[in-house]
Amino acid sequence: QLQLQESGPRLVKPSETLSLTCTVSGGSISTSSYYWGWVRQPPGKGLEWIGSIYYSGSGSTKYNPSLKSRVTISVDTSKNQFSLNLRSVTAADTAVYYCARQRVVYVNLGWFDPWGQGTLVTVSS
Amino acid sequence: EIVLTQSPGTLSLSPGERATLSCRASQSVSSSYLAWYQQKPGQAPRLLIYGPSSRATGIPDRFSGSGSGTDFTLTISRVETEDFAVYYCQQYDSSPGTFGQGTKVEIK
Repeated sequence: QLQLQESGPRLVKPSETLSLTCTVSGGSISTSSYYWGWVRQPPGKGLEWIGSIYYSGSGSTKYNPSLKSRVTISVDTSKNQFSLNLRSVTAADTAVYYCARQRVVYVNLGWFDPWGQGTLVTVSS
Repeated sequence: EIVLTQSPGTLSLSPGERATLSCRASQSVSSSYLAWYQQKPGQAPRLLIYGPSSRATGIPDRFSGSGSGTDFTLTISRVETEDFAVYYCQQYDSSPGTFGQGTKVEIK
């Protein structure tokens, strides 16, 4: 059974970089037909896609334009992990951050399944 | 980007009743590239439906999805206690993929 687990600091200072890692177990991250993505949810609010990455050597990435200037997603196939860096954070970036596997549907990035349990990251001095 | 508007915001039902949740897109979602998720408090979202009428693995058949174009519906034929949660739709027709704001199904 495929499982994903987020890890990283729970508290980040304003203007610094939020860094999270997602560890995939029960299956390989080097799988065709899937991207690996990050989704966030501010407390009491809805879901926002951040970006996704493919496992291949070039690590093809796709980002939400609203965050693209601050986001980098990378993959480490040897560790079966992928990571999120979000730069220059503010209080508005406080959210539960989820990692998830994302199905490729023809040329589109599709649905998310399964999801990690999520980790709350708070931006505060 | 495509904006998804879910209605109603909250649906109050008794166990055994039928739930009808709506997701309306700001522009046509071609090929019915739409999914539904269930989220319970303190938990990650769980995929229910994709494409827009295929049930994910392990999802009971009381959950069904339908629709095309700009109007999509998630139906729970007979709501059970475990179904009280927040439900989100997601479109994956155009980038960026977007989610609706959610519909809360609560116990009446």
